[in-house]
Amino acid sequence: ETGVTQTPRHLVMGMTNKKSLKCEQHLGHNAMYWYKQSAKKPLELMFVYNFKEQTENNSVPSRFSPECPNSSHLFLHLHTLQPEDSALYLCASSQGGHQPQHFGDGTRLSIL
Amino acid sequence: GESVGLHLPTLSVQEGDNSIINCAYSNSASDYFIWYKQESGKGPQFIIDIRSNMDKRQGQRVTVLLNKTVKHLSLQIAATQPGDSAVYFCAERWGSSASKIIFGSGTRLSIRP
Repeated sequence: ETGVTQTPRHLVMGMTNKKSLKCEQHLGHNAMYWYKQSAKKPLELMFVYNFKEQTENNSVPSRFSPECPNSSHLFLHLHTLQPEDSALYLCASSQGGHQPQHFGDGTRLSIL
Repeated sequence: GESVGLHLPTLSVQEGDNSIINCAYSNSASDYFIWYKQESGKGPQFIIDIRSNMDKRQGQRVTVLLNKTVKHLSLQIAATQPGDSAVYFCAERWGSSASKIIFGSGTRLSIRP
């Protein structure tokens, strides 16, 4: 148990669907992150939130829309995705910059 | 550009032997380094970290060595066990921003019985 819970664990959707990924952390951290993990590629940072404020958008297409209603919850809203968006989406949290990030087990996303 | 890389994509080790996983980094401003372990079907799990004012840090069966002169980081696992089979990532951070982090592509460690 890492203290970071992601749902759903698996998601299959068509390119015209709208879905949301959810992340919840029980660690009292003040920063939350979304990462994309594709096969044989390093983790790609997508978004960073500090104290509910978005501080980083790493040139992510607008079909990915994050939402952070409070320091414990993070969402990633998906709309009109492309097949190349199929990947493992990981959520993480940390207490500040020079502290390790704690990851959830991810959502395996498949775009048909 | 700045990058974190791993010398070997795969490493096979006899059970009971020590494992050494290497990582090269290129950002001389990096001041915090982290090792993660990722098992199949799970997210990365924090193993150990080290700050740039140190050159060695030990945990339970793991040791991280930092050589800033050649920008090299290594993870040593003592008495490797079957449960150590996983992909191991290094990551580097710099500055105070939570977003200034780069991950390596990973080394897959497999254990021979």
